[in-house]
Amino acid sequence: RKEVEQDPGPFNVPEGATVAFNCTYSNSASQSFFWYRQDCRKEPKLLMSVYSSGNEDGRFTAQLNRASQYISLLIRDSKLSDSATYLCVVWGGGGADGLTFGKGTHLIIQP
Amino acid sequence: NAGVTQTPKFQVLKTGQSMTLQCAQDMNHNSMYWYRQDPGMGLRLIYYSASEGTTDKGEVPNGYNVSRLNKREFSLRLESAAPSQTSVYFCASLETLAKNIQYFGAGTRLSVL
Repeated sequence: RKEVEQDPGPFNVPEGATVAFNCTYSNSASQSFFWYRQDCRKEPKLLMSVYSSGNEDGRFTAQLNRASQYISLLIRDSKLSDSATYLCVVWGGGGADGLTFGKGTHLIIQP
Repeated sequence: NAGVTQTPKFQVLKTGQSMTLQCAQDMNHNSMYWYRQDPGMGLRLIYYSASEGTTDKGEVPNGYNVSRLNKREFSLRLESAAPSQTSVYFCASLETLAKNIQYFGAGTRLSVL
């Protein structure tokens, strides 16, 4: 069974701090990796794709460790607007249902 | 850009009633999906359609039927609603061609009494 595991949190972090959370996946054949953001009572939206060499988008940095089968997301200088649930998504390939979602990590940025 | 459009946004049903959730995408994507999301359960796949004319069961298909009417539209039908189907339903479409990015509709909040 393909699984994606995340710490559900909540992570309570003061504004301006750096926060990081990980996601582990079980299918070593997984091909693509993503972080989605979901605000309360809203639909998930793509935050960033995760590339093998790691990638950065402003205050957000994503890393992939294929050997240990985990993905990480680092948020620097956190803002109140970063409060959301962050979903780890893994594409296993081999079919249209190859996407597997983690249950999400709930982040609360406190003033 | 409309993206993925779902209707209705909210619905209240009585047990045993039927209804159809509508979904349409204007991004020319081949694959479309229906998920439900319950507290603590994450997103669970109900049905998906890899292309026009094909549909397949996901993780939790019981109590649901789907129709891929054309490339744009993918509907989800509850024939006899049950309280266990109270949930938030999301439709999504998938951009492939090496990106594999899903785009979601705004969701339908369904309560079955």
